[in-house]
Amino acid sequence: QVQLVQSGSELKTPGASVKVSCKASGYIFTTYAMNWVRQAPGQGLEWMGWINTNTGNPTYAQGFTGRFVFSLDTSVRTAYLQISSLKAEDTAVYYCAREMTMKPPHAFDIWGQGTMLTVSS
Amino acid sequence: QSALTQPRSVSGSPGQSVTISCTGTRNDVGGYNQVSWYQQHPGKAPKLIIYDVSKRPSGVPDRFSASKSGNTASLTISGLQAEDEADYYCCPYAGSYTLVFGGGTKLTVL
Repeated sequence: QVQLVQSGSELKTPGASVKVSCKASGYIFTTYAMNWVRQAPGQGLEWMGWINTNTGNPTYAQGFTGRFVFSLDTSVRTAYLQISSLKAEDTAVYYCAREMTMKPPHAFDIWGQGTMLTVSS
Repeated sequence: QSALTQPRSVSGSPGQSVTISCTGTRNDVGGYNQVSWYQQHPGKAPKLIIYDVSKRPSGVPDRFSASKSGNTASLTISGLQAEDEADYYCCPYAGSYTLVFGGGTKLTVL
């Protein structure tokens, strides 16, 4: 079936980097864009941006430029979110979410299970 | 902090109807016929329940309906059930290939 499986929880120290993976299955990976969404503990959802899985071109939301990088490895149907120079405020659950249309960004019909990132010294 | 305004919480008894509003501007909610709504149960990933203002994905009960008027989108849940207790987020298109989430509304079924 169509699903997104994300990498496991991460515990990092401030200043380190992390790379979260999101492996797709059950559909043609390059057909639908991939979005990333952050949810800090006890807080709401924040749209981080999306990546065109056909061209690899990323679009970042305000507040997610500079330290955040979206990338792909289409050979293994996987999208990645890399965050550098980690700060305590990066502590959150990070979700990948599949774009449901051919006109991204629009709406997300398939979500990964989420990856919990904890940044603490 | 979202620029979109949703009530922090709403409540209703089983069988009743509740409406959740999502107020934005002409640059997001009011500017495009593209608003989606997500339901999120504690500890779970969000689930798409409405897209394109009022369309339901396959499998979403018709108890969930939505509309838009001006800069405000609304989600109505009729015939409330215990399993509807969750957080609900609106998500309109905001131009320039960007989206924005509302702050979220906690629905309590009394």
